[in-house]
Amino acid sequence: DTGVSQDPRHKITKRGQNVTFRCDPISEHNRLYWYRQTLGQGPEFLTYFQNEAQLEKSRLLSDRFSAERPKGSFSTLEIQRTEQGDSAMYLCASSPDRANEQFFGPGTRLTVL
Amino acid sequence: AQRVTQPEKLLSVFKGAPVELKCNYSYSGSPELFWYVQYSRQRLQLLLRHISRESIKGFTADLNKGETSFHLKKPFAQEEDSAMYYCALSRPGRRALTFGSGTRLQVQP
Repeated sequence: DTGVSQDPRHKITKRGQNVTFRCDPISEHNRLYWYRQTLGQGPEFLTYFQNEAQLEKSRLLSDRFSAERPKGSFSTLEIQRTEQGDSAMYLCASSPDRANEQFFGPGTRLTVL
Repeated sequence: AQRVTQPEKLLSVFKGAPVELKCNYSYSGSPELFWYVQYSRQRLQLLLRHISRESIKGFTADLNKGETSFHLKKPFAQEEDSAMYYCALSRPGRRALTFGSGTRLQVQP
């Protein structure tokens, strides 16, 4: 499968714990995006990278959230001191430079108890 | 700030009937509009974008700047069209997508 991959697919954690998710984009895509989706809603934009540079961050991204893409390939999204409100599906997407067609991964479902 | 509204959470039609999934947006400039689709147990994928002006799987969407709408239409629904449909917008020069809350299309036999 040469599509966007995400790991883990599911994560259950206790409130207050830190979690980290990984996203591997399509190999030739320079642009990588993180979104969050809660039940009954569409995806909400969190942040976006072009290569290793984080170019845009949503106001939704509190200081407990940090994303990195150190070598311009895979990306990680870390949530510190998780809260029950962080329970959601976290989606990663990638796109080529020439077009804004974003290819989505399967998502990581986070449940905070 | 931009906003995308999909007023129907569920649209149920019979096979062969016409389909129109509504999408309205609020943005003062000239956005790029998209329709994404998610079939059962599959990932979100692009269906079409307004700048391509193409028909995909029999679906078309026309951007109406006067009414700030981008409704998705298909003349004859098929059972395999049953899915969750999301309308999305990006601002000029920006990559972030703003999604609507989605409409579930149910095509009954």
